[in-house]
Amino acid sequence: DVVMTQSPLSLPVTLGQPASISCTSSQSLVHSDGNTYLNWFQQRPGQSPRRLIYKVSNRDSGVPDRFSGSGSGTDFTLNISRVEAEDVGVYYCMQGTHRPPWTFGQGTKVEIK
Amino acid sequence: QVQFLQSGAEVKNPGASVKVSCKASGYIFTAYYIHWVRQAPGQGLEWMGWINPNSGATECAQDFQGRVTMTRDTSISTAYMELTSLRSADTAVYYCARTWGLDVWGQGTTVTVSS
Repeated sequence: DVVMTQSPLSLPVTLGQPASISCTSSQSLVHSDGNTYLNWFQQRPGQSPRRLIYKVSNRDSGVPDRFSGSGSGTDFTLNISRVEAEDVGVYYCMQGTHRPPWTFGQGTKVEIK
Repeated sequence: QVQFLQSGAEVKNPGASVKVSCKASGYIFTAYYIHWVRQAPGQGLEWMGWINPNSGATECAQDFQGRVTMTRDTSISTAYMELTSLRSADTAVYYCARTWGLDVWGQGTTVTVSS
């Protein structure tokens, strides 16, 4: 199974400042069809997960443009350009290239300093 | 809009079974696979399996083989996930989500296994 490793696991941030979460996979996530099936999810306290980014860098409808995804191969990043209070929660990366199983990172908890 | 409505919370004894339902609306039910993901208290996300609502074909994670059954009723746009031989480690919130990319999630069903 592909192991997804996130860092940091805890990220205290100041409102209005940028934040960055790293996700590394144990093998390349480039699929034989040329796509890279790496998604990012946000889980606010007490809520279901919500997809923010699919296939590395595509923002879902309704997701603020302060969220962006980048990366390739085995190294990926979720960036928040200016953190707002509503961004508090846990963020997960997930790979769907080498499936089954779909595998998630451990999660990164974003909190306000 | 696309949404899923899951069944209510369950409390089960060890060794029992639980069946969670996931009713879809806002799209053609048979057009997208439905996945099941669980989250133990304070823990991360764990993929359990998928069902193709069109054909009924399923695939599940190795950890759940022999214990999980996924079914669907296309007449009411509802998918089901049954987990048997429950143990305390199965205490979790169970989510359904749509398609490979998990683009839409249900609200979750809390299953508590306790004697």
